[in-house]
Amino acid sequence: GNSVTQMEGPVTLSEEAFLTINCTYTATGYPSLFWYVQYPGEGLQLLLKATKADDKGSNKGFEATYRKETTSFHLEKGSVQVSDSAVYFCALGLYNQGGKLIFGQGTELSVKP
Amino acid sequence: EAQVTQNPRYLITVTGKKLTVTCSQNMNHEYMSWYRQDPGLGLRQIYYSMNVEVTDKGDVPEGYKVSRKEKRNFPLILESPSPNQTSLYFCASRPAGVEVEAFFGQGTRLTVV
Repeated sequence: GNSVTQMEGPVTLSEEAFLTINCTYTATGYPSLFWYVQYPGEGLQLLLKATKADDKGSNKGFEATYRKETTSFHLEKGSVQVSDSAVYFCALGLYNQGGKLIFGQGTELSVKP
Repeated sequence: EAQVTQNPRYLITVTGKKLTVTCSQNMNHEYMSWYRQDPGLGLRQIYYSMNVEVTDKGDVPEGYKVSRKEKRNFPLILESPSPNQTSLYFCASRPAGVEVEAFFGQGTRLTVV
């Protein structure tokens, strides 16, 4: 079946530290991959996406590369800020069920000054 | 401004009392979905709709109903809420096509006592 597995949180980092949040997936076919971010008290916002193998998505200093050989889509940022504190969700998008998104369990990131 | 609007944002109700959570989008999107978010489980799709009068079950549809009489609106109905439906609910919309991002509402935190 289709599924997404993320590293468990919470993750606590100091400001300017390097961030990696691991995400692996299993899927039939060729899904699109997404990272969504949820700030406290808000809905989910798209952070970045990749639609095919070897694509790199990037936004606001975050990057993730669609690796078909390792079925991974790890999120990275070179220097985190306090304002990056949020919950991050990895998701894969399917063609069926109305463009259904399958989410990982979410990883809470806390960045300390 | 392009947005998905859910109401109410917070709701506390009693077991068995019918309730409706409204969702409206102003982007003329074909696809709309409801998700519930529970700790450690990420978001799971409840119901989806691919167009007016076209709805279908997602992964966790038990205890919920939906309707899509107009393209912009997709209400979620709990005919007889139970405590296991206490959760954070999100409505999402997207244009047809898997590569396109989904837009999420702000969320409705429901507590059933």
